[in-house]
Amino acid sequence: QVQLQQSGPGLVKPSQTLSLTCAISGDSVSSNSGAWNWIRQSPSRGLEWLGRTYYRSKWYFDYALSVKSRITVNPDTSRNQFSLQLNSVTPEDTAMYYCARYYDGKADYWGQGTLVTVSS
Amino acid sequence: DIVMTQTPLSLSVTPGQPASISCKSGQSLLHTDGRTYLYWFLQRPGQPPQLLIYEVSNRFSGVPDRFSGSGSGTDFTLKISRVEADDVGIYYCMQNIQVPLTFGGGTKVEIK
Repeated sequence: QVQLQQSGPGLVKPSQTLSLTCAISGDSVSSNSGAWNWIRQSPSRGLEWLGRTYYRSKWYFDYALSVKSRITVNPDTSRNQFSLQLNSVTPEDTAMYYCARYYDGKADYWGQGTLVTVSS
Repeated sequence: DIVMTQTPLSLSVTPGQPASISCKSGQSLLHTDGRTYLYWFLQRPGQPPQLLIYEVSNRFSGVPDRFSGSGSGTDFTLKISRVEADDVGIYYCMQNIQVPLTFGGGTKVEIK
């Protein structure tokens, strides 16, 4: 059974960096079948895919254009987890953040969600 | 980006009655590999979205057979044959044919 456990602060100051981690159990971040995604949800933007990483003989990264200049998704093979860093946050980045595994195209496992508020 | 448009915004259904949700994509979701990358999710209050249907019409593990998906190209439908109290929440369609992956705006289903 795959489980994704999210961790990270729920409050971030404007202009600072949002950092979240998603710890994986029951699968490997470097599997050749999975893709590891970050998605956020807010009342104003709905469900918004942010980015992903996956391993197919080498590491690949895809990012949404809306955050491409500010986002990094990093795999950590030693801890079997992946992370989200979003720089220069503003109140518009306030949202529930989810990590999710996509397996053969299916978003079959999700983290529990982390509510991140950007406020001073 | 592929725009996903869902209708209706909300639905109030008597238990035991059917319900239907439409999703239209801004371009075809049929890939050259022959698969159509359209998915349906249900999000219950306080929970992350959970996968119901993948590739238009395939029920995910554990999903009751009262849920069915159909459609092709750019027009898709999720049907619940007999709505139960446990089906309340917001339903989303999603495309996974190209990045950025995009979601519909959601359809809220409530029980009368």
